[in-house]
Amino acid sequence: DIVMTQSPDSLAVSLGERATINCKSSQNVLFSSNNKNNLGWYQQKPGQPPKLLIYWASIRAAGVPDRFSGSGSGTDFTLTISSLQAEDVAVYYCQQYCSTPYTFGQGTKLEIK
Amino acid sequence: QVQLVESGGGLVKPGGSLRLSCAASGFTFSDHYMTWIRQAPGKGLEWVSYITNSGGSGTTYYADSVKGRFTISRDNTKNSLYLQMDSLRAEDTAVYYCGRGNWGLDVWGQGTTVTVSS
Repeated sequence: DIVMTQSPDSLAVSLGERATINCKSSQNVLFSSNNKNNLGWYQQKPGQPPKLLIYWASIRAAGVPDRFSGSGSGTDFTLTISSLQAEDVAVYYCQQYCSTPYTFGQGTKLEIK
Repeated sequence: QVQLVESGGGLVKPGGSLRLSCAASGFTFSDHYMTWIRQAPGKGLEWVSYITNSGGSGTTYYADSVKGRFTISRDNTKNSLYLQMDSLRAEDTAVYYCGRGNWGLDVWGQGTTVTVSS
């Protein structure tokens, strides 16, 4: 199974500042057939289901503010929130969908400093 | 609007069975792969299973933790996804979500809670 490891486990950032969450996979999640990284990012607020933010490592899902961006390739990926807003307080998960089981990272809890 | 609504959760004894349902609306259900994800209390997300669309012949995939005990299925005439859960264990206690797709779940239900306890 591909193991997804996020860092840090928790993060406190001031409003308006940049937040960066890292995700490392134990195997390459780049699909050679389409040259796409099979990685997504989700945001989960308390009491709510997860929400897709990013797919194919860097494509924002519909309706996601452009302060959210994804980058990386192969085994190392980053979710960046360029200017933290109060509504961004949540737990963030990365997930690989390169090979089953489609494993998630352990989550990163983002709070306001 | 595009919506997924799960049902069927509840309290069940170890070794028991439950059947979860996920009713889809607002989109062409048969076109989409569908996925079950679960989240144990206070824990992270765990991928459980997915089923392909009609074009994929309804092929199924499972996490090792549920293989042989859980069965995913779909009824495209009823726009519904199912998860038959047998031989339930305490560690299956979780909120179960259905999601649209498998490569990036862009629509999620609100979840249904399954508690396995004697």
